[in-house]
Amino acid sequence: DAKTTQPPSMDCAEGRAANLPCNHSTISGNEYVYWYRQIHSQGPQYIIHGLKNNETNEMASLIITEDRKSSTLILPHATLRDTAVYYCIVRVDETSYDKVIFGPGTSLSVIP
Amino acid sequence: EAGVVQSPRYKIIEKKQPVAFWCNPISGHNTLYWYLQNLGQGPELLIRYENEEAVDDSQLPKDRFSAERLKGVDSTLKIQPAELGDSAVYLCASSLGYPQETQYFGPGTRLLVL
Repeated sequence: DAKTTQPPSMDCAEGRAANLPCNHSTISGNEYVYWYRQIHSQGPQYIIHGLKNNETNEMASLIITEDRKSSTLILPHATLRDTAVYYCIVRVDETSYDKVIFGPGTSLSVIP
Repeated sequence: EAGVVQSPRYKIIEKKQPVAFWCNPISGHNTLYWYLQNLGQGPELLIRYENEEAVDDSQLPKDRFSAERLKGVDSTLKIQPAELGDSAVYLCASSLGYPQETQYFGPGTRLLVL
């Protein structure tokens, strides 16, 4: 199974870009990288996902290295409401199953 | 579009009592998931449904936990009897299906077993 490693916590100044790293050195060629976040007392929220190319949506940008062994989630202008736990996930396919395995994530604190 | 609905949001029970959680997924989502989340940890999958069929229940403690999704829409997760270690947040999620469909989560039910 591909697994991910993330720093347990990070701080970011309000208005600055938040860059959250993730290592997934054993990722397979057909596995996607997904990012979710979980604000306190809420369920996880989908942010973005990608396979090889960089992706951008209204919430964030995802930069995947060429060898696909790591990625970075970028929140371009962090606000206090972005304070949350951010999970980097590699989708694991086993036969017909599709497990989403969450690690402990990165706790991002956006500081005024 | 309405999101995943869960109830109750909070539940406090004494150990050895039964408890049930209810989930209504997003309309049209065939796949439904139940997760367990302990404090400070990421969610862990308990069971996954494809319509009415439980296709992955390998992580569900079957001696005390049960789940059903009778009509392929709403789902109920039950614990009987509850133990102190069952105190956690129980999350429900749904997705359109395969292969790489995004999961949408409900707010969860926070269970405290005394």
